[in-house]
Amino acid sequence: QKEVEQDPGPLSVPEGAIVSLNCTYSNSAFQYFMWYRQYSRKGPELLMYTYSSGNKEDGRFTAQVDKSSKYISLFIRDSQPSDSATYLCAMSYQGAQKLVFGQGTRLTINP
Amino acid sequence: KAGVTQTPRYLIKTRGQQVTLSCSPISGHRSVSWYQQTPGQGLQFLFEYFSETQRNKGNFPGRFSGRQFSNSRSEMNVSTLELGDSALYLCASSLDRATGQPQHFGDGTRLSIL
Repeated sequence: QKEVEQDPGPLSVPEGAIVSLNCTYSNSAFQYFMWYRQYSRKGPELLMYTYSSGNKEDGRFTAQVDKSSKYISLFIRDSQPSDSATYLCAMSYQGAQKLVFGQGTRLTINP
Repeated sequence: KAGVTQTPRYLIKTRGQQVTLSCSPISGHRSVSWYQQTPGQGLQFLFEYFSETQRNKGNFPGRFSGRQFSNSRSEMNVSTLELGDSALYLCASSLDRATGQPQHFGDGTRLSIL
């Protein structure tokens, strides 16, 4: 079993829809949770970075962490075609630089 | 501010050869980590360097090695290349090793083994 599970999709939604992306994990020692966006032929771009449980909002993006359920989510409001990319969740332990990634979800926003 | 720079962007090698990839971190960043990305395994951690010392290592064979220079630039080397080493190799940098420092990635070096 992988430490971090993420549905690879693909996920296709119409422009303007609310998108929900999710990851589950098995190791309760994870303390830092991130979402990265990766466009084709580019490296991952950091979108959201949260510590422990709770919500964090940045523009159209909201990250949620539920440590009791070992579940994290990324919500995208008013989705745009430019949001079409692969979204990767990642997490790390306290005091460690090693990131453990989910498989990534390929998202397409249709105009 | 310039981001993480990786060179070269593309590389083609044959089995048995060796290769060296280069990474220049964001100015002021002192921690550099390397990852391998493949369609089957996704993104996997290779190793992390800080103050010219390897601080953490992933589950990869000894053919994969790296080093960091005093200006924080880093290189990784893969010897005796195998077909399975074909992948996107990504470098990420962070300010330091303090808890909570996010990592920022370069665009990677795409290595193809023939």
